[in-house]
Amino acid sequence: QKEVEQNSGPLSVPEGAIASLNCTYSDRGSQSFFWYRQYSGKSPELIMFIYSNGDKEDGRFTAQLNKASQYVSLLIRDSQPSDSATYLCAVKQDRGSTLGRLYFGRGTQLTVWP
Amino acid sequence: ETGVTQTPRHLVMGMTNKKSLKCEQHLGHNAMYWYKQSAKKPLELMFVYSLEERVENNSVPSRFSPECPNSSHLFLHLHTLQPEDSALYLCASSQGLSGFDNEQFFGPGTRLTVL
Repeated sequence: QKEVEQNSGPLSVPEGAIASLNCTYSDRGSQSFFWYRQYSGKSPELIMFIYSNGDKEDGRFTAQLNKASQYVSLLIRDSQPSDSATYLCAVKQDRGSTLGRLYFGRGTQLTVWP
Repeated sequence: ETGVTQTPRHLVMGMTNKKSLKCEQHLGHNAMYWYKQSAKKPLELMFVYSLEERVENNSVPSRFSPECPNSSHLFLHLHTLQPEDSALYLCASSQGLSGFDNEQFFGPGTRLTVL
């Protein structure tokens, strides 16, 4: 079983703060990592993906990957109330019987208060 | 709108009913997926289709029967379901199966309640 672990939260931060969301995974063969945002009652939407060690920035979002530690994180700078949602970490292997498959964590619920 | 539509959006059915969920993607993708999302549990992959062929059946009970008549349409046929099958059923599509950046686009989901 491929395990993806996330703190379920809820994580609560004030508007303008940095929100830090963390994810660990068990399979060292994992090759790419995705962060999805899911608003209540809606379907997941992709925020960003990363597959190389280090940081990847896109606007207010930064994904960080450390394959040696099997750890991926998402930082949200200048958090806004509209960022309040559940954030899903997903891990992908691209080999054999798991080709194309995403393994999801349970998600972290983020609340940004004004 | 992600280019993936699902109908119906809500469904209530008895345990003896037969119903079908429909998914359609307008993105020109070659792979389609069914997921189940239950409260407090991770998204669970149910089925994967690539170029209309089923490539994965993730130990799903036979009361769930998928059908992929072409690369744009995916169905999930339901019969004699149990109350624990109540969940949000999500359809997704992607360009293919491989690739580090191969994003899956999700439809809005069908909220299923089994009485």
